[in-house]
Amino acid sequence: NAGVTQTPKFQVLKTGQSMTLQCAQDMNHNSMYWYRQDPGMGLRLIYYSASEGTTDKGEVPNGYNVSRLNKREFSLRLESAAPSQTSVYFCASSAQRGDTQYFGPGTRLTVL
Amino acid sequence: SQELEQSPQSLIVQEGKNLTINCTSSKTLYGLYWYKQKYGEGLIFLMMLQKGGEEKSHEKITAKLDEKKQQSSLHITASQPSHAGIYLCGAVRPAGGSNYKLTFGKGTLLTVNP
Repeated sequence: NAGVTQTPKFQVLKTGQSMTLQCAQDMNHNSMYWYRQDPGMGLRLIYYSASEGTTDKGEVPNGYNVSRLNKREFSLRLESAAPSQTSVYFCASSAQRGDTQYFGPGTRLTVL
Repeated sequence: SQELEQSPQSLIVQEGKNLTINCTSSKTLYGLYWYKQKYGEGLIFLMMLQKGGEEKSHEKITAKLDEKKQQSSLHITASQPSHAGIYLCGAVRPAGGSNYKLTFGKGTLLTVNP
């Protein structure tokens, strides 16, 4: 079991560029999440998917879109990257919404 | 305002010493998670507490939730360099209907000097 995997591990973008962060889990979990982690701000929820076919906004959704491609995969898209989106992005999954969340290793994104 | 406060923000201890990290909520907790994060890595689940007065231990780490379910502590006995990292608490709160959300504290950075 790989658990939760994320790609890429590192990425540098220029302002205005777009990119998609990929996340996959092999634990047959129903719920998946995207967080960002910033110094002094802690972890903040961007979007989540309680189950396949559904997505909902979290605390800081502006500037992001998500796709729950299937039960295993949940992607996060930045359509037009801004320097304020420089952060470390974590994907997580849980059996059901409210259950223990298991995290991926993170993607470190820098927007110049 | 920050609903979940962790203290201290950072902590440096000598190997072999005991230490405690606290997590305080302004609202009653439905559940409290403790995670550990090593620099450049993801969060590793440590323990989850739900009942007032509950205490759980894993190896040399003990977590407690107070009776009022508004404060939790994480205690490490005889610390080792492998305990170094960022410890985060996460509070489970209702999010409307039957949904729950997980809100994290800002973390405590632990350094253990050999």
